[in-house]
Amino acid sequence: IVMTQSPATLSVSPGERATLSCRASQSVGTNLAWYQQKPGQAPRVLIYGASVRATGIPARFSGSGSVTEFTLSISSLQSDDSAVYYCQQYNHWPPGWTFGQGTKVDI
Amino acid sequence: QAQVVESGGGVVQPGRSLRLSCATSGFRFSSFGMHWVRQAPGQGLEWLAFVLYDGNTKYYADSVKGRFTISRDNSKNTVDLQMNSLRADDTAMYYCAKGTEFGEPPLWGQGTLVTVSS
Repeated sequence: IVMTQSPATLSVSPGERATLSCRASQSVGTNLAWYQQKPGQAPRVLIYGASVRATGIPARFSGSGSVTEFTLSISSLQSDDSAVYYCQQYNHWPPGWTFGQGTKVDI
Repeated sequence: QAQVVESGGGVVQPGRSLRLSCATSGFRFSSFGMHWVRQAPGQGLEWLAFVLYDGNTKYYADSVKGRFTISRDNSKNTVDLQMNSLRADDTAMYYCAKGTEFGEPPLWGQGTLVTVSS
């Protein structure tokens, strides 16, 4: 399965809303997660099950979609949201997890 | 609180071996599959290997098949990655992660850095 994220880079102003897209080359149901990764840090799970916020994740982060089309929305953007965001499918294995190439969000 | 902690990284010469270990706590380890994922400097995330909860089924990415071996010890709540015939392009941060069975989210560690250089 190929996971394709768009756009590659997103520049937004504080307080605005960002919308990130992830497309799967075949159905993954809702077995999709979103991660946030800041420089020098491990990826942090934001969303799993396509729309379930992980523990401690603010409601500003929301996930939607199913089958092959998914969206991560971040409202009221803050400077601390600057990061690379990855989507990941965990529906089809073997062979294993597959990741999108990432969307870099600049605030 | 569930957590995974990787160890064993370091600098190793090309062609040599290294064994990474992942210690887990706070969840029922013997019920979950475990994964290793890596990230080369400035690059994206690459899944490497998976071992089923019972240790009897394993899957590998083509890039490491035949060189890396994943194993687990359910009595110690640990999962290892034996890496042989290391190459410069194996240089990366290596992450251990809990699987997503039972609708649970994945759980990642902070990673351990492997540098392959002469």
